[in-house]
Amino acid sequence: QVLLQESGPGLVKPSETLSLTCTVSGGSISNYYWNWIRQSPGKGLEWIGYMYYSGRTSYNPSLKSRVTFSIDTSKNLVSLKLTSVTAADTAVYYCGRGGRWNSYWGQGILVTVSS
Amino acid sequence: DIVMTQSPGSLAVSLGERATINCKSSQSVLYSPENKNYLAWYQQKPGQPPKVLAYWASTRESGVPDRFSGGGSGTDFTLTISNLQAEDVAVYYCQQFYTTPYTFGQGTRLEIK
Repeated sequence: QVLLQESGPGLVKPSETLSLTCTVSGGSISNYYWNWIRQSPGKGLEWIGYMYYSGRTSYNPSLKSRVTFSIDTSKNLVSLKLTSVTAADTAVYYCGRGGRWNSYWGQGILVTVSS
Repeated sequence: DIVMTQSPGSLAVSLGERATINCKSSQSVLYSPENKNYLAWYQQKPGQPPKVLAYWASTRESGVPDRFSGGGSGTDFTLTISNLQAEDVAVYYCQQFYTTPYTFGQGTRLEIK
């Protein structure tokens, strides 16, 4: 059974960088697309982007200048970095497997941007 | 971006009855060469991540009860839940994956009447 678990700080200060990791267990990272989606009360579900295990990425243009994905196939990790955060970036962040629809989701991690 | 609009925003249906949720896309998500609609449906219960119910607009995900059925094509889609059960109380979302950025509807909250 494939399990995904997000981890990282739950509180980030404005203008700093949000860094999250998604640990994949029960399956390999290889040959799949991995994506990040966030959910906030004000904006609902927002697709941040996806990354193929080979490194190819697609980012939401609304975040493209601030977001970077990375993947570590040796550790089965997928990572997200979002720079220059503001209160508008406060959300539950989910990692998921799937290039088009998500068949597997992590439980999500609430990240609050506040000083 | 393709805008996904769901209706109604919320609905209450009696146990055993049918619930219908609508989703409209601002442009067609039908990829004609494949004759496939690039649309998925999700169910989200409180405190949980969304769970995919169907993709290609009408293909049920493995393990999803056949009470859930997706339909429609082009720009207009429906998710129908027959014989409503108490465990179906949730928020339902549609999502297009026809083009990036992938986008979601705003959600439809389903309650028991």
